[in-house]
Formats: sequence, C-alpha cells, structure tokens
Amino acid sequence: GAVVSQHPSRVICKSGTSVKIECRSLDFQATTMFWYRQFPKQSLMLMATSNEGSKATYEQGVEKDKFLINHASLTLSTLTVTSAHPEDSSFYICSAELAGGLPTDTQYFGPGTRLTVL
Amino acid sequence: GENVGLHLPTLSVQEGDNSIINCAYSNSASDYFIWYKQESGKGPQFIIDIRSNMDKRQGQRVTVLLNKTVKHLSLQIAATQPGDSAVYFCAENGLYNTDKLIFGTGTRLQVFP
Repeated sequence: GAVVSQHPSRVICKSGTSVKIECRSLDFQATTMFWYRQFPKQSLMLMATSNEGSKATYEQGVEKDKFLINHASLTLSTLTVTSAHPEDSSFYICSAELAGGLPTDTQYFGPGTRLTVL
Repeated sequence: GENVGLHLPTLSVQEGDNSIINCAYSNSASDYFIWYKQESGKGPQFIIDIRSNMDKRQGQRVTVLLNKTVKHLSLQIAATQPGDSAVYFCAENGLYNTDKLIFGTGTRLQVFP
C-alpha cells in the first residue's frame, strides 16, 4: 500500500516551453502533497506544499508563477514548469502524505521525474 | 541552507559487515525523524522512523539511534548487502505545526563483495 506514481518519469523539452508533471497517490487519499527538487549529488529541497482545494504554499526563493501547482483532487497534484530553461533541469520528486491522525504523518515518495531542458 | 550539499560523503563497507551512517540534525525542537534510502534515479524509500520520546528503534536489519543532547541521529545496518548500496538521507520534522521535512545532505553507501 501507500504507492505514489509520477508521470512522466523522464522528459526532455526545448527552452521556453512548459512541462507538466503529475503526482498520484494510487491507493490512498492525500490531502497534502509536497514537491521537491533534487540536483545531482545533492539533497532534496522542498519547493512547495500542495493542499487539495487550496493554493499551494511555496518555499522561500521558489517562484510561484514559474512553478504552477494544482491539487485538484485527493489523489492528484500537478506541477507545471512554465517557460522552462536549462537551469530548471533537475530531478523533481513529489510525496503524498498518508493521513493517520498522528501529529506527524508519513510522507510517501514518488519515483521522480527527470527534466532536461535543452 | 542545511539541506544543500556540494558533495556526498561516502561510506564504503564490505558485504556482511555492519554499517553506521550518521546525521546531525538542525532543530532541537524536531520531534520526528526518518531515514530514507534513495537508489540512483529513483525517489526516496522509507526505511525507519523514530519519535523524539525514544532513543532507539529497531527494524529488520536496521536500527535507528537518536541522541537529542547532541542532535545526532544514526542508522545502523546489520550484515550489509550489495542491495543496500544507495544514498541515505535523514530527515527531520523541524518546523512547528507543519509536516514539512528537512533533509540532511545524504551519505552514499557503497558495499563491496
């Protein structure tokens, strides 16, 4: 149980185009999903917190107009990288929170999406 | 920030030996800690967690130790296997009343036959 999928797993796009990445919780409902970015040989950096039915909360330094997040249902959140540039090339990972009534709920991670902007 | 690293420290062990991976966390108010394993090109995989009211927790072949006095977390892997080769991250829930995780810089574990 608690499986999170991402689509696509790998995408190559031209500079200036927009790319949409989907994050789905397959067998549970997630009111909260998180989006991370990971550069090579570095740790995961939280970009934003996505809450179903409300606006996402972005971390400091993350442009909300560039990284559009939509959490339209309890099982789907999307991240759209708008007007992508080579410096946006990275590994994007989402996680979905399994709500268990605990003070801190467990996050389950997707397999990641490798974005390459030419 | 504390979760950005310029390089990954590496721990090399021989198959069958025990591994100990260490992590210094940043926030003394953190009350929940998790260890994740990340294989190349994949997302993090949950290994084991521990809450701040405990100092030790054991799983299958893994043990997590928490020392709140010095803000130190360790992951012990018994009888390390080639399949354990990966990057290991500790994460803390360091922000009050949020579920945000702060990730450590990570340690690469290499297991040699």
